[in-house]
Amino acid sequence: SAVISQKPSRDICQRGTSLTIQCQVDSQVTMMFWYRQQPGQSLTLIATANQGSEATYESGFVIDKFPISRPNLTFSTLTVSNMSPEDSSIYLCSVQDRQGWGSREQFFGPGTRLTVL
Amino acid sequence: GNSVTQMEGPVTLSEEAFLTINCTYTATGYPSLFWYVQYPGEGLQLLLKATKADDKGSNKGFEATYRKETTSFHLEKGSVQVSDSAVYFCALSDQGGNKLTFGTGTQLKVEL
Repeated sequence: SAVISQKPSRDICQRGTSLTIQCQVDSQVTMMFWYRQQPGQSLTLIATANQGSEATYESGFVIDKFPISRPNLTFSTLTVSNMSPEDSSIYLCSVQDRQGWGSREQFFGPGTRLTVL
Repeated sequence: GNSVTQMEGPVTLSEEAFLTINCTYTATGYPSLFWYVQYPGEGLQLLLKATKADDKGSNKGFEATYRKETTSFHLEKGSVQVSDSAVYFCALSDQGGNKLTFGTGTQLKVEL
């Protein structure tokens, strides 16, 4: 399986500011995903990060609030824009490579714990 | 759409007790099924998986069998340890294979 790192691991931010979270993988992967895990809740998919094209967002998530970049096959960023306390969550990236790791399983980064004051 | 339903927690057991965490799903076609584990303060780790009916996934003493007739993927372990204390998530990926749908998670606490 791939080794996935995220930066920062945690941050405390002020309302109205933006934070960019980085996800780095140690090998090339076809699919990268961003999830949100609100306190005490399960994971919700925000978007699929596509290399060379715009991200595909799930219902309830929009590009203006969560812009995503995917400049190459090993790296992606998620920005949480104009933050409010409701954005306090753990944000996780995951990767999937069907050929290398079997059918449809995803591997997750360690997460970024965001607190918005 | 797809959905996953897990038994609510927290589940509290004594060490060496038998564990079952129920998971049922709704999906079209032939999804793949997964159990992920999240230890305190850590990210998600894939625990085991099954990709077709009657497959049994196993890892670290945990097992789950893909039961298409009952649309279930219950997680079991014969003898739990304190170190198994974590939150366990059941998940499925649809036939297209790109999107994971998670259950709400079940917190397991194992006491001496």
